[in-house]
Parts: sequence; structure tokens; C-alpha cells
Amino acid sequence: KAGVTQTPRYLIKTRGQQVTLSCSPISGHRSVSWYQQTPGQGLQFLFEYFSETQRNKGNFPGRFSGRQFSNSRSEMNVSTLELGDSALYLCASSLDRGRSSPLHFGNGTRLTVT
Amino acid sequence: DQQVKQNSPSLSVQEGRISILNCDYTNSMFDYFLWYKKYPAEGPTFLISISSIKDKNEDGRFTVFLNKSAKHLSLHIVPSQPGDSAVYFCAATDSGTYKYIFGTGTRLKVLA
Repeated sequence: KAGVTQTPRYLIKTRGQQVTLSCSPISGHRSVSWYQQTPGQGLQFLFEYFSETQRNKGNFPGRFSGRQFSNSRSEMNVSTLELGDSALYLCASSLDRGRSSPLHFGNGTRLTVT
Repeated sequence: DQQVKQNSPSLSVQEGRISILNCDYTNSMFDYFLWYKKYPAEGPTFLISISSIKDKNEDGRFTVFLNKSAKHLSLHIVPSQPGDSAVYFCAATDSGTYKYIFGTGTRLKVLA
């Protein structure tokens, strides 16, 4: 079974631009979550989607948005990029919501904003 | 506000000895806890979990202990192996939100 696939693996953008990251969950998984990893901050929760609806949102500005499609694939968008948005963005999928469904992570998209 | 804290950024242990990684949390609503392991250039992988109704869960070389009164959990790895060298994240969630909150991670180095 294929794991969680994130594309692209690396991105370099300029301040002020916007970016879209893509995540394909494990087949059959219906929940997709996004996390931002920066040195010293660990994994910061961005949002969670289930059945095409955002179920949870972290403490990030409105420049960060996402969506989930009917096939459970998800995209994350960051508009008006800032230098501080440079990070590893991780997508995780789970079969369902709740404790019986641990998160399975992709290898991430490394975003560098210059 | 960091609800899940891993106060040791790094830890070095000799091969064959015990590794103990610690995690503290502040939100009393958390009722499920997990540990993830992360190698460079890879996403975190699930290691072991524990429900708040238990105080210990074991899986092979890995044991997680939960002290609810102290809001503290720990991961024991016995015996430690060089392949265990990675960053370990603890995470917590509550049954109401299904939102997983992660700590900042502890980098474990097992010396051969």
C-alpha cells in the first residue's frame, strides 16, 4: 500500500508570492491533517480535513488555507509568503478520526522563502 | 502556549543501555498520548501510544509510562540500539477535538 505522498519535496519562493502544496493520503484514509515543523517549535498543527470539511484549525493566520477533495486528496495554500513561513510542511492521513486511527505522515515539503 | 513540552532537546546514550525520553503536558483534557519517531528527510512514524486509563503500555523494547497526576509521560527504550537514533516527538489529544498536539522533540543519539 502506498504511503502518504507529498509534492513537491522542495520549493523555493520569494517573499510575497503564494504557494500550493499537495498531499495524497493512503488509499482509504479519510482524514488529512497538516503540520508545520520549524527548528525549536516542533510540529505545529495547521488544520484537519475530514469528508471535505475542515474540522479543526490551529493558530495560524488566514494566509494559510487548505481544502480536501472528494477523493480525500488535500491541498494547502499559503498566500503572501513571509520569511518566517520557511519550514517543513507535513501532511498526515488517518483512516478515520479518533484514537484508533494513528496519523501516518508523508515525507514533507521543504519550503524556503527568500 | 506550548501544551506539550519536551524539555530535553537532545539525549546521548550508550548502545545497550536504557534511553528515557520525557514529556510534560498542561491540558488536563488530554486523554490519549502517542510517541512518534522521525529520521532526517522522512516524516514521523508512529511508535507507541497510551490511553489515560492506563499507566503503562509496552511494545517490545519500547514502554510508555503515564503519570496523570504529574501530567507527565516517558518513553523507555531498552536496550537502546544505534538505529534508534532519531528525533522523538510526544503528542497528545483529547477525545473531543481529535486534534493532535505535538511537543518540540528530543534528538536521541545512541552511541555504538
